[in-house]
Amino acid sequence: ETGVTQSPTHLIKTRGQQVTLRCSSQSGHNTVSWYQQALGQGPQFIFQYYREEENGRGNFPPRFSGLQFPNYSSELNVNALELDDSALYLCASSKATVLDTEAFFGQGTRLTVV
Amino acid sequence: AQSVTQLGSHVSVSEGALVLLRCNYSSSVPPYLFWYVQYPNQGLQLLLKYTSAATLVKGINGFEAEFKKSETSFHLTKPSAHMSDAAEYFCAVSPQGGKLIFGQGTELSVKP
Repeated sequence: ETGVTQSPTHLIKTRGQQVTLRCSSQSGHNTVSWYQQALGQGPQFIFQYYREEENGRGNFPPRFSGLQFPNYSSELNVNALELDDSALYLCASSKATVLDTEAFFGQGTRLTVV
Repeated sequence: AQSVTQLGSHVSVSEGALVLLRCNYSSSVPPYLFWYVQYPNQGLQLLLKYTSAATLVKGINGFEAEFKKSETSFHLTKPSAHMSDAAEYFCAVSPQGGKLIFGQGTELSVKP
């Protein structure tokens, strides 16, 4: 089975710009969650998509938005980039939304905002 | 609200020594707890998970963790550290399937 893949691996954007990050979920998984990991910190939950609908959101402003497609791949969009948005963005896919489900993580996209 | 606290942002051990990484959780309901490892410039890999089936959980690479409800702890241990164990370790609790609340992480260094 193929794992979780994210693109691009690295990205540099200017403050105020918009960015789209992409994630292909693992085969057989219908749930995708996005996390932001600032340098030296643990990952912070941004939101989750289950069967193309948002299924929970963390403490992130509306300029963070997402999509999930029929093939369960997903996009994370961030508008009006700020310097503090510089971080590693991780995507994780899982089979379902049951509590003990294992989340499989991609390698992440390193976003630098200058 | 559920949360986890990892005690010690950095732990250093000698090769062959016991590894002990501490995690305490806060939850009003029986928690689902996880330990993940992150190698430099990589995503997270699951080491083990607690889902109430057994209090002592064995994971990959020789790691194990014991769930202690009375102490609200889920510490990660390994009897003998290997150089390849050097990485960042995260404890997490799951309030919703696929959603994880992570601790701040503990960086493990292994000295030869």
